[in-house]
Amino acid sequence: DADVTQTPRNRITKTGKRIMLECSQTKGHDRMYWYRQDPGLGLRLIYYSFDVKDINKGEISDGYSVSRQAQAKFSLSLESAIPNQTALYFCATSAGDGRNTEAFFGQGTRLTVV
Amino acid sequence: AQTVTQSQPEMSVQEAETVTLSCTYDTSESDYYLFWYKQPPSRQMILVIRQEAYKQQNATENRFSVNFQKAAKSFSLKISDSQLGDAAMYFCAYRSAVSGNQFYFGTGTSLTVIP
Repeated sequence: DADVTQTPRNRITKTGKRIMLECSQTKGHDRMYWYRQDPGLGLRLIYYSFDVKDINKGEISDGYSVSRQAQAKFSLSLESAIPNQTALYFCATSAGDGRNTEAFFGQGTRLTVV
Repeated sequence: AQTVTQSQPEMSVQEAETVTLSCTYDTSESDYYLFWYKQPPSRQMILVIRQEAYKQQNATENRFSVNFQKAAKSFSLKISDSQLGDAAMYFCAYRSAVSGNQFYFGTGTSLTVIP
């Protein structure tokens, strides 16, 4: 099984619908992130969490909310989806202090809002 | 916030040849990490190589190596003996060692390998 698991892998939803993307990890990392990938824009940070009680907005948090249900679970919600939220979404984790702490990514969720 | 710039949206290389992907970053910090990630069509993000800013020696992983120029804030990736499986999107990333611990990504370079 993957260390970082995202569900669903693909999703088509209608404008105005609420949708939740889920992420779980078995790496034991305290830090979790949600990124959005768009062509030509790279990966942009939506929200990040350093522990269950610590949630922070990233550069593009408008229209999104998150919940850190446990150390291993971090979900992203679109309260009322709009077409320009069509993108590839990634959950990532990393360890805290220490050297060589790269980000570990889930498989991504391809979201299409019609 | 730190910025990471990849000025080459697309690159191509002949199989077995060498290609260099460019990355520059802007930071006032002295302690940080740099990474190159590969994203093949499967869309999985795969770590290719990492570099710690306090190390002057350039990192190497098999056919992949970096040219880290700290003063110039440059971190290029060299792929030697290119293989068809190297075709992918490549992202450069920066992570502070002290503040926030966020990762900042460039916009990516799409690499095509020509048989």
